[in-house]
Amino acid sequence: GENVEQHPSTLSVQEGDSAVIKCTYSDSASNYFPWYKQELGKRPQLIIDIRSNVGEKKDQRIAVTLNKTAKHFSLHITETQPEDSAVYFCPSGAGSYQLTFGKGTKLSVIP
Amino acid sequence: KAGVTQTPRYLIKTRGQQVTLSCSPISGHRSVSWYQQTPGQGLQFLFEYFSETQRNKGNFPGRFSGRQFSNSRSEMNVSTLELGDSALYLCASSLGQGTTEAFFGQGTRLTVV
Repeated sequence: GENVEQHPSTLSVQEGDSAVIKCTYSDSASNYFPWYKQELGKRPQLIIDIRSNVGEKKDQRIAVTLNKTAKHFSLHITETQPEDSAVYFCPSGAGSYQLTFGKGTKLSVIP
Repeated sequence: KAGVTQTPRYLIKTRGQQVTLSCSPISGHRSVSWYQQTPGQGLQFLFEYFSETQRNKGNFPGRFSGRQFSNSRSEMNVSTLELGDSALYLCASSLGQGTTEAFFGQGTRLTVV
């Protein structure tokens, strides 16, 4: 089955700096790569997603890149703000109905 | 439109008991997936139901089971509870086809004592 590894497990950045989270997956059949943000005590919420036929997608301060050959994808957050502090997950799967999650990255943005 | 609703929000059970959790998906969504979230382990996939049929299953023991009704509402049952079953149980609803967004409920916090 699919295996997703996420790095780093914790990340601290100064407000205004950039943050990068990287994920690798094992199943070449995976073609959907969403990123979820989970704030403390809240449900995971989708912040951006990318499909296998696209190499990069950007939405304001966040961007995701996908390298299908190397089986890895990354989340980039620029100009970080305190409200970006959360746990980020990078699941992957053949569809949104069966996602394999990594263990998450706890991002702390220091004011 | 209403979001994904999970009930109850909190549960405390004793070892050996069984428990049933409920998930009402977004109207029109036919897929409900269940996940177990524990500290340090992320979200682990339990199973997925689509149109009343279990379509996918994760690597959990048979004590974990589920079902889906004709209105797409889903229930998850855990029998013979163990201390290690204490976790946040999340369900996610989606259309069930392709790569449309999966929406999570707020979860049920289960504590086994």
